[in-house]
Amino acid sequence: EPEVTQTPSHQVTQMGQEVILRCVPISNHLYFYWYRQILGQKVEFLVSFYNNEISEKSEIFDDQFSVERPDGSNFTLKIRSTKLEDSAMYFCASSGDTSYEQYFGPGTRLTVT
Amino acid sequence: GENVEQHPSTLSVQEGDSAVIKCTYSDSASNYFPWYKQELGKGPQLIIDIRSNVGEKKDQRIAVTLNKTAKHFSLHITETQPEDSAVYFCAALMNRDDKIIFGKGTRLHILP
Repeated sequence: EPEVTQTPSHQVTQMGQEVILRCVPISNHLYFYWYRQILGQKVEFLVSFYNNEISEKSEIFDDQFSVERPDGSNFTLKIRSTKLEDSAMYFCASSGDTSYEQYFGPGTRLTVT
Repeated sequence: GENVEQHPSTLSVQEGDSAVIKCTYSDSASNYFPWYKQELGKGPQLIIDIRSNVGEKKDQRIAVTLNKTAKHFSLHITETQPEDSAVYFCAALMNRDDKIIFGKGTRLHILP
């Protein structure tokens, strides 16, 4: 069964450093998303991406964040200058053009020290 | 914007009994309601969903009901098993490519 994959599973970085989180969505999907989950809290929307551009972004997704689909398979989230409060699980999700279902990857745990 | 409330935050049930988790949503334009199960250290897994033109949907031991008038929807798990222990999130969306708005989650414990 096709699935969303994410790398790395865990990333530790120092405050102020740049990180790139990588996702490979399900191959025939067209809509891509990043969500974030701070430990013990609910999953929050960050950004959606379709047709090589951002469709929608939340107030969390400020100028420090960017997304890119550099090739036909990868979808990345970059945080330019990490802050302590960026520590969270980051989930990538994707959906097809004929359904509502969004499928989530296993997540990347980002720890900012 | 849409807001999804979920209750209870924690639920313990005896193995074999039923579990019910309830959610309400605020925006009447929402028309798709998925439920996700999240096990420790994993991503949310879609377990069942319902569209607004349907009142009930069942898949083996899990079922979801939707009351559009009252803006309620519920997850029912029957004959609970140890592997049902997890955090369950209800959610709502308006359009097919829309962001998911999640509830705060219910931690379900199945007691032996």
